[in-house]
This record gives sequence, structure tokens and C-alpha cells, in this order.
Amino acid sequence: AQTVTQSQPEMSVQEAETVTLSCTYDTSESDYYLFWYKQPPSRQMILVIRQEAYKQQNATENRFSVNFQKAAKSFSLKISDSQLGDAAMYFCAYRTGANSKLTFGKGITLSVRP
Amino acid sequence: GAGVSQSPSNKVTEKGKDVELRCDPISGHTALYWYRQSLGQGLEFLIYFQGNSAPDKSGLPSDRFSAERTGGSVSTLTIQRTQQEDSAVYLCASSLAPRTANNEQFFGPGTRLTVL
Repeated sequence: AQTVTQSQPEMSVQEAETVTLSCTYDTSESDYYLFWYKQPPSRQMILVIRQEAYKQQNATENRFSVNFQKAAKSFSLKISDSQLGDAAMYFCAYRTGANSKLTFGKGITLSVRP
Repeated sequence: GAGVSQSPSNKVTEKGKDVELRCDPISGHTALYWYRQSLGQGLEFLIYFQGNSAPDKSGLPSDRFSAERTGGSVSTLTIQRTQQEDSAVYLCASSLAPRTANNEQFFGPGTRLTVL
């Protein structure tokens, strides 16, 4: 069975600094996708960034980038120039290419200090 | 509105009562998903509908849980004889072309269910 592990329950970062959120996963599949979702207090889950396993290049979206280490099954999210609006829960998620349901980690609460 | 909507936003019920949670997906999205988010836990997959295919019910925790999707659009998640451990936020999501690389699931704001 596929599992997603986020071992850090909470992290804090100073505004304008950089923070890295960790995620590891376990799978025997070769075709899969990885995601980071943001969930602010409004509960609305928002897709932050997506990575296809077959792509070697790490995905980037503005201030958000990932460090995808396929052999190590690691998928960390780096947030640069942190802003107060980045404060939220962040979930790492996985799905196979053949299936569309998402498997989520337990999430990490990120706080941003002004 | 263009997003996924869910109702009610909050539901408080007594143990043993039945509840129905509603999800309106984005128009044109063929796939619809239900997830459950319990306190301190990640999101847990419950059920998935895709077009006219039989739903994937593999995540439903017990036979007290059921869901239907009428006319390929609105979905209702029903929990019978609610228990306190059913207290959670129930999230619905929808997507286009579920097995393609660009399958982004768009989530609703969820229903917070509290069972007293």
C-alpha cells in the first residue's frame, strides 16, 4: 500500500525567510504524481505544486519549489521569501497514474512570524 | 459560483441520528471524490465517482456510510446511526479527466460534522 509521511507536525518561519517542509512516500509504482496542498483556516484545499514522477526536473511555481529525490522517495517543499499569507496547513499527497484518488500525509502546520 | 460547493457548512447531530452531506461539483467535471479529515489526521479517501462507472467505495469505513451521485452531478454522502468517531470535516473534490497528468482536484470548503 502507498503511504505518505510528514514527520514534522509544526514549523515556524520568519517572514521573508525560506522554509522547507519534508515529505516521504512509499510506493512500488513507477508511474505516479506528487502534490503539495495548502489548507488555510477557511478549510479550502488549494493545490500549490505538482510533480510528475517521470520528470527529473524539479517543479517550481513562483516562490514554491520542490526537491524531488525519486530514489530516496522524498518530496520536500521549499517556500522562499515567506509571507504572512503562507501560514496554513500543508499536505503532501500522492496518486498513481492509473488511479485518481489521493493519498495524503497528516499535514504540517506552518506559522509565519512577522 | 465556479467552485465546488458543499452544504451544510457545519452540522451538529446527536449520536444515532442519520445525516446527509451535499456536494455540488464544478460544472463539467466528471469525477467526484469524498474525503474525511479527522482531527490530527490527514485526509482519508472515502469514495470516488467517475462518469457512469461503478463508484470506487474502497475507502468507506463501514456500511453506515454510503454515497450517491445523481445525474452525474450533485452527490450526497449519507452517514447512518452516527457515532462520535464520525466527527470530522468531510471534503468533496471534483476533477476533469481523472487519470491524466493534469488531473487537478478542486476541493470544496468542507462540512464540519460534530456528533454529540
